[in-house]
Amino acid sequence: GAVVSQHPSRVICKSGTSVKIECRSLDFQATTMFWYRQFPKQSLMLMATSNEGSKATYEQGVEKDKFLINHASLTLSTLTVTSAHPEDSSFYICSARDSHRGGYEQYFGPGTRLTVT
Amino acid sequence: DQQVKQNSPSLSVQEGRISILNCDYTNSMFDYFLWYKKYPAEGPTFLISISSIKDKNEDGRFTVFLNKSAKHLSLHIVPSQPGDSAVYFCAASAISEKLVFGKGTKLTVNP
Repeated sequence: GAVVSQHPSRVICKSGTSVKIECRSLDFQATTMFWYRQFPKQSLMLMATSNEGSKATYEQGVEKDKFLINHASLTLSTLTVTSAHPEDSSFYICSARDSHRGGYEQYFGPGTRLTVT
Repeated sequence: DQQVKQNSPSLSVQEGRISILNCDYTNSMFDYFLWYKKYPAEGPTFLISISSIKDKNEDGRFTVFLNKSAKHLSLHIVPSQPGDSAVYFCAASAISEKLVFGKGTKLTVNP
């Protein structure tokens, strides 16, 4: 149980275009999902907290107009990188909390490698 | 200011022996701690967690110890297996649900 999927696993796009990444909780409901970014040999950096049916909460320094988050259902959150630039190239990982469990465990998706050329 | 610190970037252990991964934190408001395992180009996998009301939690080969007075926790893996080779992240939470991660420790278990 507690499986989270992400799509696509890899994407290459041209500078100036937008890319959408999907995060799905497959066997549980998640009122809260999280989006992280990982740079090489670095820790996971929380970008934003996505709440079902409401606006996402962005961490300091993360541009909300550039990284659009939509959490339209209890099993799906999307991250759209708008007007992508090469510096947006990174490994993006989502996670989800099981709404019906206690504790703060987050279950992570497999990640999406974004390359902006 | 790094609130969760994993001071050892790497650790090498012989198969069958114990692996001890350490983590220190500075925020006394943290009340829940987790360990994740991560392979390259994959998302982290949840391993084990511990609430601040406990000082030990065990799950198979994995045991997490929490020393609140020292603001220190450790993950023990025994016996270590080559398949345990990965990067291990310590994470902490303070009610808000957000997890704060350490920078990770790369564990290599040699056959």
